[in-house]
Amino acid sequence: EAGVTQFPSHSVIEKGQTVTLRCDPISGHDNLYWYRRVMGKEIKFLLHFVKESKQDESGMPNNRFLAERTGGTYSTLKVQPAELEDSGVYFCASSPGQGKNTDTQYFGPGTRLTVL
Amino acid sequence: AQSVTQLGSHVSVSEGALVLLRCNYSSSVPPYLFWYVQYPNQGLQLLLKYTSAATLVKGINGFEAEFKKSETSFHLTKPSAHMSDAAEYFCAVRKYNFNKFYFGSGTKLNVKP
Repeated sequence: EAGVTQFPSHSVIEKGQTVTLRCDPISGHDNLYWYRRVMGKEIKFLLHFVKESKQDESGMPNNRFLAERTGGTYSTLKVQPAELEDSGVYFCASSPGQGKNTDTQYFGPGTRLTVL
Repeated sequence: AQSVTQLGSHVSVSEGALVLLRCNYSSSVPPYLFWYVQYPNQGLQLLLKYTSAATLVKGINGFEAEFKKSETSFHLTKPSAHMSDAAEYFCAVRKYNFNKFYFGSGTKLNVKP
């Protein structure tokens, strides 16, 4: 079974540009999460989809970040315009439906974003 | 607010020595607790999780962790370190009926020959 995949693995852009990150969850997983790790700090929650609906977006930093999940399958996270402080590693995770407390979240390898 | 503290951003042990990675959480009610490992250029992989069934939890690769409510701790241990254990380890907590994880800042484990 394929795991969570993310594209690209690395992205280097200039301040003010736009970047779109993509996440493909494990097939059949209704829950999809985005997290971010900035420069060796803790991994922080950004948002959570259940199928195509945003369940919790309390971690989104500001309105420069836009997340979508078309048809409840893959998800994209767009940053527009990018700022220097957006640099970091963006992780995507997925978990099966029902959202039980003990559910494991399965993580992708992350996208390393560098804003110059 | 939920917080997770991992003491020691870097831990170095000799091959064959005991591994002890510390994790403390703050919560008014016992949360659900997880340890993940990240090997270079890979995603986070679940090592083990506490689901309230037993306070001593055994995971993959010989790791285990003990939930101690009185100490609000969930430290990760392995009796004998192997070179392949070199990686970054993350403790995470999840509140009851909430989906998001709160992570610690990670501990990089170095294993010396």
